[in-house]
Amino acid sequence: QVQLQESGPGLVTPSQTLSLTCTVSGDSITSDTSYWSWIRQPPGKGLEWIGFIYYSGSTYYNPSLKSRVSISVDTSKNQFSLRLNSVTAADTAMYHCAREVQGVDNVDWFDPWGQGTLVIVSS
Amino acid sequence: DIQMTQSPSSLSASVGDRVTITCRASQTIGRYLNWYQQKPGKAPELLIYVASGLQSGVPSRFSGSGSGTDFTLTISSLQPEDFATYYCQQSFSVPRTFGQGTKLEIK
Repeated sequence: QVQLQESGPGLVTPSQTLSLTCTVSGDSITSDTSYWSWIRQPPGKGLEWIGFIYYSGSTYYNPSLKSRVSISVDTSKNQFSLRLNSVTAADTAMYHCAREVQGVDNVDWFDPWGQGTLVIVSS
Repeated sequence: DIQMTQSPSSLSASVGDRVTITCRASQTIGRYLNWYQQKPGKAPELLIYVASGLQSGVPSRFSGSGSGTDFTLTISSLQPEDFATYYCQQSFSVPRTFGQGTKLEIK
């Protein structure tokens, strides 16, 4: 059973950097049929895809966040990480990591998701 | 970016009702459409992939249909555990985008 678990500080000061790690168990992060994603959800709001990384290090970021975001992978630890710079209150959200599976008919989907970690941006 | 629009945004229904949620894409996406269920305080879970594929373990009362720009999620007979928020998501292109969600509440 594949499981993902987020970890990192729950409180970040405005203008500082948000850093989170996702630890993957039950699957290898070097799987050639998976991308590893970050998705966030502000309190009471919908879902926003932040970006993903392939085990080779290839990344794609949401253009709305591209100037501030970085995703990296550590294959030795079966982990991938998110860094978001220059945070503001608008970055307060539940942050989920998720596996994007390359499924049938070339359609990908997110499964499973981590339970999420709430990050509050406040002084 | 492809915009995904769900309707309605909220819906009140009773146990046993048949419910349909609609998702419309701002451009054609073939069948690159997935549906998720999210319960309060929990992560979203995959329900339907490739527009109509039922994820393993998901009850058969859930079904999906559509292609191109218009898609539907149908619950044939609502059960108490189905009251949740539902999201559609396109995987036709990056950035991946989600609908705004449909909150299904008990009448």
